[in-house]
Amino acid sequence: DAGVIQSPRHEVTEMGQEVTLRCKPISGHNSLFWYRQTMMRGLELLIYFNNNVPIDDSGMPEDRFSAKMPNASFSTLKIQPSEPRDSAVYFCASSFQLPGASETQYFGPGTRLLVL
Amino acid sequence: AQSVAQPEDQVNVAEGNPLTVKCTYSVSGNPYLFWYVQYPNRGLQFLLKYITGDNLVKGSYGFEAEFNKSQTSFHLKKPSALVSDSALYFCAVRASNRDDKIIFGKGTRLHILP
Repeated sequence: DAGVIQSPRHEVTEMGQEVTLRCKPISGHNSLFWYRQTMMRGLELLIYFNNNVPIDDSGMPEDRFSAKMPNASFSTLKIQPSEPRDSAVYFCASSFQLPGASETQYFGPGTRLLVL
Repeated sequence: AQSVAQPEDQVNVAEGNPLTVKCTYSVSGNPYLFWYVQYPNRGLQFLLKYITGDNLVKGSYGFEAEFNKSQTSFHLKKPSALVSDSALYFCAVRASNRDDKIIFGKGTRLHILP
């Protein structure tokens, strides 16, 4: 398996522009997670899906952020409009989770976003 | 509420010496505990996890961790450090009796000095 795939790997954009990050989870996994990593705040969980349904989006910072998972093999994280403080590395992770069971999350390589 | 603490931002160890990266947790009920490692410009990689059973868990790259219920700790250890072990290490916890999300610590940067 190719692992979790994220695109683009790097994104540079100007303030106010729309940014869309993409993720393809590992085939067969039923949970998908979006994280943001910065020096100041460390690793933050933004949102996670189980069986394509958003379960917890309490980490989504503002209405400017939205995430979708239209099917089991694809998810997007959108920022509109983007701001310089959104600059970070965004990770997608997936896992196979049964209710009450342990889970090992597998992380993608991340998208490094710079908003000027 | 569940939480995890990594009290050290950075740990420096000489190559060949034993290393310990500390982690303590707070969770209702029994915990699932994890260690992940992040190398520069890479995503997090799973190292090991504790679910139940033997308190000493062995993982990838010669790492191990000891679950201590009375001290609510899950310290990561390796008998002999390598320069290539230099990376950012994350401890994570989830309550076993609930479907809560995993909580990650802030990370500890490990420097192995040649």
